[in-house]
Amino acid sequence: GENVEQHPSTLSVQEGDSAVIKCTYSDSASNYFPWYKQELGKRPQLIIDIRSNVGEKKDQRIAVTLNKTAKHFSLHITETQPEDSAVYFCAASYNQGGKLIFGQGTELSVKP
Amino acid sequence: EAQVTQNPRYLITVTGKKLTVTCSQNMNHEYMSWYRQDPGLGLRQIYYSMNVEVTDKGDVPEGYKVSRKEKRNFPLILESPSPNQTSLYFCASTSLMDRTDTQYFGPGTRLTVL
Repeated sequence: GENVEQHPSTLSVQEGDSAVIKCTYSDSASNYFPWYKQELGKRPQLIIDIRSNVGEKKDQRIAVTLNKTAKHFSLHITETQPEDSAVYFCAASYNQGGKLIFGQGTELSVKP
Repeated sequence: EAQVTQNPRYLITVTGKKLTVTCSQNMNHEYMSWYRQDPGLGLRQIYYSMNVEVTDKGDVPEGYKVSRKEKRNFPLILESPSPNQTSLYFCASTSLMDRTDTQYFGPGTRLTVL
């Protein structure tokens, strides 16, 4: 079945450094790749997403890249701040509005 | 305010005592889904619904039931809860019409089964 692998499971960076989280997916028909941020005790919230017809998307300090050939996509956070500390989930979907397959999550810690 | 609500937010119960977790959305979304979140396993889909009276199993449906009698509501039913159903549960919804695929999550329900 469909599967999404996410690495690393934990990531610790110094404030101001960059952080990169990587995901690979198994279903080549996947065409939508969102990233969610979950702060402690709160619900996941969409921070950025990318579709299969685009290779890169940026929104201020965050960016997502997609390599369809290799079936992997990555989240890049630049100039990290303590408020970026959270669990980040990648996901993949192969049909519009349908099922999302989530990665296992990455706990990001940004040390001041 | 557009939102997904869940109740209760916290629940401690005992093995075998039937319970229902409610989920409601006010965005007229067709698609609704239930996930459970466990450490190291991410979010796993339990059941989903594409519209009223249309439901289907996700990845981990055993021990759960759902119904979709109205578009806005999608309750999760545990007929005979067991300790391995102790988890954090999220309801989510999305529109199938606006083609954004963005899923909106409820606040979560933390369930403990003793």
